[in-house]
Amino acid sequence: QKEVEQNSGPLSVPEGAIASLNCTYSDRVSQSFFWYRQYSGKSPELIMSIYSNGDKEDGRFTAQLNKASQYVSLLIRDSQPSDSATYLCAVNSGDNDMRFGAGTRLTVKP
Amino acid sequence: KAGVTQTPRYLIKTRGQQVTLSCSPISGHRSVSWYQQTPGQGLQFLFEYFSETQRNKGNFPGRFSGRQFSNSRSEMNVSTLELGDSALYLCASSPDRHVYNSPLHFGNGTRLTVT
Repeated sequence: QKEVEQNSGPLSVPEGAIASLNCTYSDRVSQSFFWYRQYSGKSPELIMSIYSNGDKEDGRFTAQLNKASQYVSLLIRDSQPSDSATYLCAVNSGDNDMRFGAGTRLTVKP
Repeated sequence: KAGVTQTPRYLIKTRGQQVTLSCSPISGHRSVSWYQQTPGQGLQFLFEYFSETQRNKGNFPGRFSGRQFSNSRSEMNVSTLELGDSALYLCASSPDRHVYNSPLHFGNGTRLTVT
């Protein structure tokens, strides 16, 4: 079974801190990785995509990919209360099946 | 560019009834995927359609079915509703889900409540 694992949280960080969200996957041939943000009662919104090893930065968000260790992470710098949401990791596996983790709930406290 | 549109937003049905949900993808997107989301199970893949053909199917009973039309719009149908079918049903479109760098774009979802 090809799995995508995330800590369910909740992860609580103070405003202005760095939030670190982690995701591991089991399918070694996975090619593409995505982070979605989902506010309560809303649908998932794509915030980052990463396809090669290393870091990819977009504003306050940095995605990190390590294919050898089969993990992908999302860092949120200068966390804001508006970042409070559930973050979903998605992995496009070798069989072209997009699999989602269960999500990590993040709370940023003012 | 208009996003993914799902209708209706909310539905209340009783056990045994059937329901049809509709999804209009982003213009130019040919792949439409359907997901069920519940608090306990997270996002569960139902099926994916591309060019009117079902390409992938998740592990759901045959009561769940779908189709895609020539304009890429898609519908999913659930027959003989059960209480456990209460969930948020999400539609997601992409140019082609089988292309590795093709993320999914989600609609606002249809919240189905079965009583």
